[in-house]
Amino acid sequence: KQEVTQIPAALSVPEGENLVLNCSFTDSAIYNLQWFRQDPGKGLTSLLLIQSSQREQTSGRLNASLDKSSGRSTLYIAASQPGDSATYLCAAGSGNTGKLIFGQGTTLQVKP
Amino acid sequence: DAGVTQSPTHLIKTRGQHVTLRCSPISGHKSVSWYQQVLGQGPQFIFQYYEKEERGRGNFPDRFSARQFPNYSSELNVNALLLGDSALYLCASSLGGSYTGELFFGEGSRLTVL
Repeated sequence: KQEVTQIPAALSVPEGENLVLNCSFTDSAIYNLQWFRQDPGKGLTSLLLIQSSQREQTSGRLNASLDKSSGRSTLYIAASQPGDSATYLCAAGSGNTGKLIFGQGTTLQVKP
Repeated sequence: DAGVTQSPTHLIKTRGQHVTLRCSPISGHKSVSWYQQVLGQGPQFIFQYYEKEERGRGNFPDRFSARQFPNYSSELNVNALLLGDSALYLCASSLGGSYTGELFFGEGSRLTVL
């Protein structure tokens, strides 16, 4: 059974700092891994999608990596800004139904 | 282009009642999935539909049901509501039937059961 874990549960950093969010999964037989952002009370915004054959994806200040052998993915945020404050969720695509297994998220606060 | 749209955005029901939540996928997307997100937790998979057929079902009781219409919109129905059904219900769409496709989520329907 696939399980996804995100550590830490919460993180507070000063503006401008580079930071890394961690995601681990128990079953390496994933077909993709997707990172999302969620603002309080809102839906999920897709940030990056990494297919199982890929090692990383980049979008602006965001870079996500995938290491299937170790069951880990990281989301790197460069030069953090207060507007980056949100909960970040990773989700592993497993099975053959398009089902995503989510972690519990990391809540990020970037202080001005 | 409009993203995934869900209605209603908020609703309050009492125990034992029934609720219907609606979702319109991104134009051109043929797959719709439903997720339940309890406060403080990550979303949990409920259903996936593709071309009006159920592709997958999560670990939810039979009180939960869904369907997809010819225009690819979808409804999630929950019968005999329990307090524990209070959650944010999220709909996601993807382009085709491939399970490797990127999912795009709506803003959700916030259900409160009293």
